[in-house]
Amino acid sequence: DGGITQSPKYLFRKEGQNVTLSCEQNLNHDAMYWYRQDPGQGLRLIYYSQIVNDFQKGDIAEGYSVSREKKESFPLTVTSAQKNPTAFYLCASSSPSGTPDNSPLHFGNGTRLTVT
Amino acid sequence: AQTVTQSQPEMSVQEAETVTLSCTYDTSESDYYLFWYKQPPSRQMILVIRQEAYKQQNATENRFSVNFQKAAKSFSLKISDSQLGDAAMYFCAYRRRMIQGAQKLVFGQGTRLTINP
Repeated sequence: DGGITQSPKYLFRKEGQNVTLSCEQNLNHDAMYWYRQDPGQGLRLIYYSQIVNDFQKGDIAEGYSVSREKKESFPLTVTSAQKNPTAFYLCASSSPSGTPDNSPLHFGNGTRLTVT
Repeated sequence: AQTVTQSQPEMSVQEAETVTLSCTYDTSESDYYLFWYKQPPSRQMILVIRQEAYKQQNATENRFSVNFQKAAKSFSLKISDSQLGDAAMYFCAYRRRMIQGAQKLVFGQGTRLTINP
């Protein structure tokens, strides 16, 4: 079955350490996204990538970095510069160009990051 | 910039009854899409229903329907015959229409829906 896999489900880190969240999709989607979810604030876009080797900052990119070396993978690194890294992180992907452009985002199951 | 507002942080309804979740948005664009997503305790985001702004007819998916008021920039979700499995966070989302490229959705803050047996 096609889908998006995020790992691990729960992640714990000490303050000052960088941490990388994994996101893999086998849907053959061109575009991939990272969202951050905090209580009472909905989902906010961190980074997105439309094609391999290209990515753009979203609304809250400070303290985060990404790479897109393969179509299937879009890892997110939470750096020590991110002031409030504890949150729930969701990865998503969307259909290739040429398909109906009201197609929804497909989401992974998320990673809960706790930094202490 | 576009914004989406859900003014009801929490709602509750008796099982089998009807509940309406509110959503308003702000945009200067005339062509766009609106979505309702459901996030159950598993935290998986599930698309509930979508509406194209150029369509006057309100979208319906089984027990879920919307009241889309374009002039008022309002997009409410009505759940009929509420079931225990409907308990979840519900997010309203906006996306401007694009020929191709990334789908940058703007989400509201969410409404937590509780179903009372």
